[in-house]
Amino acid sequence: QVQMQESGPGLVKPSETLSLTCAVSGDSVSSASYYWSWIRQPPGKGLEWIGYIYYSESTSYNPSLKSRVTISVDTSKNQFSLRLRSVTAADTAVYYCARESAYSFDHWGQGTLVTVSS
Amino acid sequence: QTVVTQEPSFSVSPGGTVTLTCALTSGSVSTSNYPSWYQQTPGQAPRTLIYSTNIRSSGVPDRFSGSILGNKAALTITGARADDESDYYCVLYMGSGISVFGGGTKLTVL
Repeated sequence: QVQMQESGPGLVKPSETLSLTCAVSGDSVSSASYYWSWIRQPPGKGLEWIGYIYYSESTSYNPSLKSRVTISVDTSKNQFSLRLRSVTAADTAVYYCARESAYSFDHWGQGTLVTVSS
Repeated sequence: QTVVTQEPSFSVSPGGTVTLTCALTSGSVSTSNYPSWYQQTPGQAPRTLIYSTNIRSSGVPDRFSGSILGNKAALTITGARADDESDYYCVLYMGSGISVFGGGTKLTVL
């Protein structure tokens, strides 16, 4: 049973960097079968794909966020991370980590709310 | 920039059938976009319903089905139940590792 759990600060100041980690159990982030993704949802709005990382550490990012995003993987801890730089109030959202397989997201974390405010 | 569009809202009677669609602002949706569908209730993470156009995720009842209808991806719900009242999102793969979510459809069952 794959389980994914997001963690990180719930409050980030404007212009600073948002950092989240997703701990994975029941599967390995070193698996060549899956991509490990981040997705977000502003309050009351729709879902937005942020990007993914593959076991080889290749990445793909949403073009609208690419200049500010870095996704990395730590195979020793079986987790992957999101860094989003220069945040503004528009980055306030519930952030989900998810496993991507066959171009779809088959397992999701429960999500964590990150608020950008001074 | 290509945008993925869905009906903002839809209503269906209990026991009825509803088809939600997922379209591109530029071009047609095909199986090469590997359409997938997700159900989300308030405060919960999305649940995967359909992937690769028409494959039901484990545990999803056969009341839910996916297809390509014309130039759009479609999610059909038959025998609608009160607990189908949710937000539904589609995702399209655009190539080069890029996935795009649709804006979501709020389904009301009444």
